Amino acid sequence: QVQLQESGPGLVKPSETLSLTCTVSGGSVTSGSYYWSWIRQPPGKGLEWIGYIYNTGSTNYNPSLKSRVTISLDTSKNHFSLQLNSVTAADTAVYYCARNRGGPGDFDSWGQGTLVTVSS
Amino acid sequence: SYELTQPLSVSVALGQTARITCGGNNIGSKNVHWYQQKPGQAPVLVIYRDSNRPSGIPERFSGSNSGNTATLTISRAQAGDESDYYCQVWDSSTVVFGGGTKLTVL
Repeated sequence: QVQLQESGPGLVKPSETLSLTCTVSGGSVTSGSYYWSWIRQPPGKGLEWIGYIYNTGSTNYNPSLKSRVTISLDTSKNHFSLQLNSVTAADTAVYYCARNRGGPGDFDSWGQGTLVTVSS
Repeated sequence: SYELTQPLSVSVALGQTARITCGGNNIGSKNVHWYQQKPGQAPVLVIYRDSNRPSGIPERFSGSNSGNTATLTISRAQAGDESDYYCQVWDSSTVVFGGGTKLTVL
């Protein structure tokens, strides 16, 4: 069974870049028709989809974040990564990585989530 | 952009049936997925493609989707069902989540 694990700094300063990595085990990021995704959840609020990357390297992002987001794939390390530029306090959230079973599919596997706080 | 509307909260008596709705324009033409999230935990898929249950999800959970409303139904509600529930669809190659519904079991 595939497992996902987020890693990265828990504290980022305003205007800097948030960088997270999701390591996939029990499966390959290049196999199947999966969309490897990032989703976030501000404290006490709902889920917000950030974007995904397909095994070909093609990406798609939430229009509201598109100008600041980059998602990349490292097949040699079997992980994918998130970069969010120019962060503000509004970007403070629990960040989840998840596997989507292909549009219009569901998220069948999730990481445990990691809290990222934006503060000086 | 496409929007999904969920009630902020739903209450159900122990052992009774809870229904959580997810509204969207012609949502019946889309595949709707539902997630359960307990405090401090990642969401868990409970219904996919409108009405399918992943393995390990009790038969008490069911789903339907027609017209402008999709519905998650939880029969014989238990205290352990008290959670936040989110619906999700795809629209124009992007993912959309509903705002979430807090289910309280009385």
